[in-house]
Amino acid sequence: SQTIHQWPATLVQPVGSPLSLECTVEGTSNPNLYWYRQAAGRGLQLLFYSVGIGQISSEVPQNLSASRPQDRQFILSSKKLLLSDSGFYLCAWGSTNYGYTFGSGTRLTVV
Amino acid sequence: GEDVEQSLFLSVREGDSSVINCTYTDSSSTYLYWYKQEPGAGLQLLTYIFSNMDMKQDQRLTVLLNKKDKHLSLRIADTQTGDSAIYFCAEKKVYGNKLVFGAGTILRVKS
Repeated sequence: SQTIHQWPATLVQPVGSPLSLECTVEGTSNPNLYWYRQAAGRGLQLLFYSVGIGQISSEVPQNLSASRPQDRQFILSSKKLLLSDSGFYLCAWGSTNYGYTFGSGTRLTVV
Repeated sequence: GEDVEQSLFLSVREGDSSVINCTYTDSSSTYLYWYKQEPGAGLQLLTYIFSNMDMKQDQRLTVLLNKKDKHLSLRIADTQTGDSAIYFCAEKKVYGNKLVFGAGTILRVKS
């Protein structure tokens, strides 16, 4: 069965520090992978998605970047965090027609 | 635009039925989804409906789709306190292979 792992669960980082959030998927190959951000516990904003190794599409301009170094690994990064980067970050992998499976999320607080 | 709109808040009594409404934008969307998010957790896929269907029932959940009005609803029968959560409607975009989510509806169930 397919599983998705996301870590860390919570993170407190100072402004200006770097960020690396990792997401891995098991039990499937060549998945579509997604990073979403949820601000203030409500709506989901799509940040990046990837349909294959090294292929990244950015949905909104921002202080973040994404990379896909391996088929089932998706990384969200920042060189210098801003206060506005605080939020709940969710990784997901997408079945073509049956919706996404989400990870458990990372709560990022930038202080 | 890409907005999926939902009612923001719904309060019901335990045992009553809950109806959460959603309007979407893309008449060519093939799949529409309902997700549930409990506090501090990732999103859980509840159910989905294919665009050529009008209704789908799954135990206590009934999804109704009105393609003409681009309106989707989720009915929860015999609502329980464990149903208290945020419910997200999402549409699958034809282009870009991505899901666009509404802002979520907070369901509060009073005992």
